[in-house]
Amino acid sequence: DAKTTQPNSMESNEEEPVHLPCNHSTISGTDYIHWYRQLPSQGPEYVIHGLTSNVNNRMASLAIAEDRKSSTLILHRATLRDAAVYYCIPTLMDSNYQLIWGAGTKLIIKP
Amino acid sequence: EPEVTQTPSHQVTQMGQEVILRCVPISNHLYFYWYRQILGQKVEFLVSFYNNEISEKSEIFDDQFSVERPDGSNFTLKIRSTKLEDSAMYFCASSQASGSPLHFGNGTRLTVT
Repeated sequence: DAKTTQPNSMESNEEEPVHLPCNHSTISGTDYIHWYRQLPSQGPEYVIHGLTSNVNNRMASLAIAEDRKSSTLILHRATLRDAAVYYCIPTLMDSNYQLIWGAGTKLIIKP
Repeated sequence: EPEVTQTPSHQVTQMGQEVILRCVPISNHLYFYWYRQILGQKVEFLVSFYNNEISEKSEIFDDQFSVERPDGSNFTLKIRSTKLEDSAMYFCASSQASGSPLHFGNGTRLTVT
């Protein structure tokens, strides 16, 4: 399993963009990069995933480095509701879909 | 939006007792999972379940643990004889297909005294 490195915490102002980095230098060629988040007192929530190309959905954008050794989750306009722990998880997309969780980045949003 | 529901939200039990944690996955999902999170620690994979059998399990998922899909809607985690170290949040998840994103419930907080 690929090892990931994320900042322990980050702060951002409300209504501003947030860039959450993740290093995964040991990622294998067939690992997808998944991002989940966990709001306080809730279960984890899927955010986005990608393999090589940058990805966008209604929640966020995912920018993947050309060498795939790092990626950045982009929240375009953070709200107070985005305060959560964000997890970057490289994993194979197969039937034994086992997520290996790190410590994640605690995102603090200042009003 | 459909969601995964877990009951109870909080379960207190005495050491050595059996507990059953219940989950109702999203109705058209085919893959089911249990994860746990000890207070202040990382989320840990326990088991995945597909086509009425376990497809993968972690070292944590020993003989004290079992899972079952007793009917078309419920997915349960049983701990046969609870230990103090089983105290944790237990999260159920489901996914529509192999490789699809996981949808998690809000968890059951298990406290073993």
